[in-house]
Amino acid sequence: GESVGLHLPTLSVQEGDNSIINCAYSNSPSDYFIWYKQESGKGPQFIIDIRSNMDKRQGQRVTVLLNKTVKHLSLQIAATQPGDSAVYFCAENNSSYKLIFGSGTRLLVRP
Amino acid sequence: EPEVTQTPSHQVTQMGQEVILRCVPISNHLYFYWYRQILGQKVEFLVSFYNNEISEKSEIFDDQFSVERPDGSNFTLKIRSTKLEDSAMYFCASSEPSRNQPQHFGDGTRLSIL
Repeated sequence: GESVGLHLPTLSVQEGDNSIINCAYSNSPSDYFIWYKQESGKGPQFIIDIRSNMDKRQGQRVTVLLNKTVKHLSLQIAATQPGDSAVYFCAENNSSYKLIFGSGTRLLVRP
Repeated sequence: EPEVTQTPSHQVTQMGQEVILRCVPISNHLYFYWYRQILGQKVEFLVSFYNNEISEKSEIFDDQFSVERPDGSNFTLKIRSTKLEDSAMYFCASSEPSRNQPQHFGDGTRLSIL
C-alpha cells in the first residue's frame, strides 16, 4: 500500500550543529517530494522540494537528498537555530495531485 | 508573500450539526485541497478540486462531506452531520495548475465536535 514513513520521531540537536531528518518512502511511482515544517498551531510550511530526476537540491541552509535506490529522502539543516524547532514532514506526490504525508519528526534545538 | 487564509481558526459544534469551513486560496492558484490532521497524527488528504469539480477524494471524504467554490475567491468544506470523530485540524491548501508544484497550506481550522 501507500506509505511514507520516518525513522525517528524526535531529534534533539545543539544549536549551531547540523540536523539530518530522514524519511523512507515505499510508494511508487513517485516523482515529486516535499519537506514541510509545522510549528505548533500552524499549518505545514513549505521548505524545499525535489523531483525524482534529481539527487540533491539546496536551499537557504537546507539541503534535500533523494536516494531512489533505497527509497530514502533526507533533509539537512545547516547551523540549526532555535527557530528551526518544529515537526518536519516529508510528503510524496505520485501521478495524482494529492500529497501523502509521513508521520513527522520533532526537531528540538538545545541552546 | 501571498498566503492561504482559513476561517474560523476554531469551530465548536454539536454532534449532528452542519459545519462549513472556509478558505481563501492564493489568488493565482487553480488547484485546491482539503486535508485533516487528527491530534498527534499525520496530515491526511481529503479532496482535491480543479476547474469546479472534484479531481480526487479519499475514503475519508464520504457523502457527509462536500466542497464548493461559491465565488472567485472562496473554497469551502461542508460537513453535513458532524460526528465526534470529525474532530481534527482541517487544512486548506492550494497550488499552481501544473504538475510538481508545491502545495501551500493555511494555518487550519480546529474543529471540535461535542
